[in-house]
Amino acid sequence: DTGVSQDPRHKITKRGQNVTFRCDPISEHNRLYWYRQTLGQGPEFLTYFQNEAQLEKSRLLSDRFSAERPKGSFSTLEIQRTEQGDSAMYLCASSSGTAYGYTFGSGTRLTVV
Amino acid sequence: AQSVTQLGSHVSVSEGALVLLRCNYSSSVPPYLFWYVQYPNQGLQLLLKYTSAATLVKGINGFEAEFKKSETSFHLTKPSAHMSDAAEYFCAVSDNNFNKFYFGSGTKLNVKP
Repeated sequence: DTGVSQDPRHKITKRGQNVTFRCDPISEHNRLYWYRQTLGQGPEFLTYFQNEAQLEKSRLLSDRFSAERPKGSFSTLEIQRTEQGDSAMYLCASSSGTAYGYTFGSGTRLTVV
Repeated sequence: AQSVTQLGSHVSVSEGALVLLRCNYSSSVPPYLFWYVQYPNQGLQLLLKYTSAATLVKGINGFEAEFKKSETSFHLTKPSAHMSDAAEYFCAVSDNNFNKFYFGSGTKLNVKP
């Protein structure tokens, strides 16, 4: 297993465009998480899935954001009508539900111009 | 509500000197505490964690941290800094189910030759 994979690593988009990011978790992990990290800050929780069910969403996740995890495997995070304030690193993590098993991917850096 | 505060956004030490990165937590219940390291354009790597076992926790790369309930602190130390330790370090507290992490704003460690 190669860990948590995120694609793309970098994305530059024009304001108003839609973007979609993908996360492939560690195969045996049933929990998947999305975080957002802006410059100079720690990661902030956005949402998490247990299998295919989205169990919690942060208030940070506005109506323009949507996350899915079909079939409980990979997950996608879509941002519609991007704004400059959406520029950040989007981190995915997966977990088996223990403190040992929480593993982060390398992130997708989004730049909205 | 749970939160962590990291004192000092930047710390600079000489190679071979003691590293001390400060973290104070706020939690209404016994906390689970973590230190993560992030290298540029990378995800977060777990250094060590406290889950109510021994108060002195040893991690990877020679780092350790001591949980002090009376001071609500979980400071990270390393006796002798190495150039490869230069990175950003994040303290975090999790909920009881390890489903949501609350991160501090991070401390960038610079190691001078």
